[in-house]
Amino acid sequence: QVQLVQSGAEVREPGASMKVSCKASGYTFTDYYIHWVRQAPGQGLEWMGRIYPNTAGTDYAQKFQGRVTVTRDTSISTAYMELNNLRPDDTAVYYCARGHNYAYDYWGQGTLVTVSS
Amino acid sequence: QSALTQPPSASGSPGQSVTFSCTGTSSDIGGYNYVSWYQQHPGKAPKLMIYGVNKRPSGVPDRFSGSKSGSTASLTVSGLQAEDEADYYCASYGGNNNYVFGTGTKVTVL
Repeated sequence: QVQLVQSGAEVREPGASMKVSCKASGYTFTDYYIHWVRQAPGQGLEWMGRIYPNTAGTDYAQKFQGRVTVTRDTSISTAYMELNNLRPDDTAVYYCARGHNYAYDYWGQGTLVTVSS
Repeated sequence: QSALTQPPSASGSPGQSVTFSCTGTSSDIGGYNYVSWYQQHPGKAPKLMIYGVNKRPSGVPDRFSGSKSGSTASLTVSGLQAEDEADYYCASYGGNNNYVFGTGTKVTVL
């Protein structure tokens, strides 16, 4: 069965960086996009970017351009999302999701990142 | 890319139907048949309910249906059940390799 398992919660200070991992299993990792979506406390979903593991090609939401980097390691079927220069309003649950038919058909369990001094 | 607009809330009694909208522009919903809908219970990850405007993934009850007219998409939940109480988000491909979500609708089963 398809599973996306994310790394654990993180606490970071303002100005620091964060890196969340997303390990895929149950399907061919290189055949599907991995998207990153975040949700601030009590707020809606926000698309951040995606990677095509086969080519490592990436696309990012304009809002995060220059601050976010999505990478992958095909040898361990894992995608990573790094966000730099963190601010308190980056506090959110970060999800990875598999892209299929221009939708997100499987989701990770989410990773809470808290940015606070 | 601005978020798609959804009503904050919708409600219905058990067994009734509820329909709510998701309004975008010609650059997203109006330009592509790539609207999807997600159900999210508190503290849980979203779950795909509809993709490609009106297609249901395996395992999603046929009580859930989607449609689109112009730049507005809609989700209908028929035969409301207690477990349908959740937040629902629409999403669309926005062109130029961008994606956008809706603002979310909280569905209450009375």
